[in-house]
Amino acid sequence: DIQMTQSPSSLSTSIGDRVTITCRASQDIRTYLSWYQHKPGEAPKVLIYDASTLETGVTSRFSGSGFGTDFTFTISSLQPEDIATYYCQQYDNLPPTFGGGTKVEIK
Amino acid sequence: EVQLVESGGDLVQPGGSLRLSCAASGFTFSSYAMSWVRQAPGKGLEWVSAISGSGGSTYYADSVKGRFIISRDNSKNTLYVQMNSLRAEDTAVYYCAREHLTVSGTFDIWGQGTMVTVSS
Repeated sequence: DIQMTQSPSSLSTSIGDRVTITCRASQDIRTYLSWYQHKPGEAPKVLIYDASTLETGVTSRFSGSGFGTDFTFTISSLQPEDIATYYCQQYDNLPPTFGGGTKVEIK
Repeated sequence: EVQLVESGGDLVQPGGSLRLSCAASGFTFSSYAMSWVRQAPGKGLEWVSAISGSGGSTYYADSVKGRFIISRDNSKNTLYVQMNSLRAEDTAVYYCAREHLTVSGTFDIWGQGTMVTVSS
């Protein structure tokens, strides 16, 4: 199975700050990577797929980049509604595998 | 509105069985592959199983292979997973998720989940 390593596991920052999360795959996954937002008690929500394509209806405050084994997810200016846990997920090989998650909190 | 609603979660003893359901609405259910994804307490997301739109192809994580059976009834717009020989480590919130129509392997719609607790 492909292992996905996310960092940091949590971060505490201020409204308006730029947030960056990284995800590393244990082998080349080309651009077969998605990013999800998950709030407690809610359904997870896809934000980005194919490493950098914004899902329809998702704010352009979110962006993704990367290719191969190293990927980055960025929130350009953190808003209160962005407080959540974020996961990367590869879909190059079965089984699809997720990173361990990054919990974003307000300082 | 496109929606997935899970049901069937419960407290069950180790070695027991449970069937979860996921009712789909707002889209042509048979056109989409579907998956079950779970989240154990305090842990991250783990893919469990997937099924093609027709139901002819199924896939399982090694952790559930031989114990779980995924199925679907396209006439009822419903996804199922039959969980047998349950273990404490199967305790989790179980989500059903729709696979993106054109981006195979990414999940564009999720339900809110149903809780399964395996404990004596």
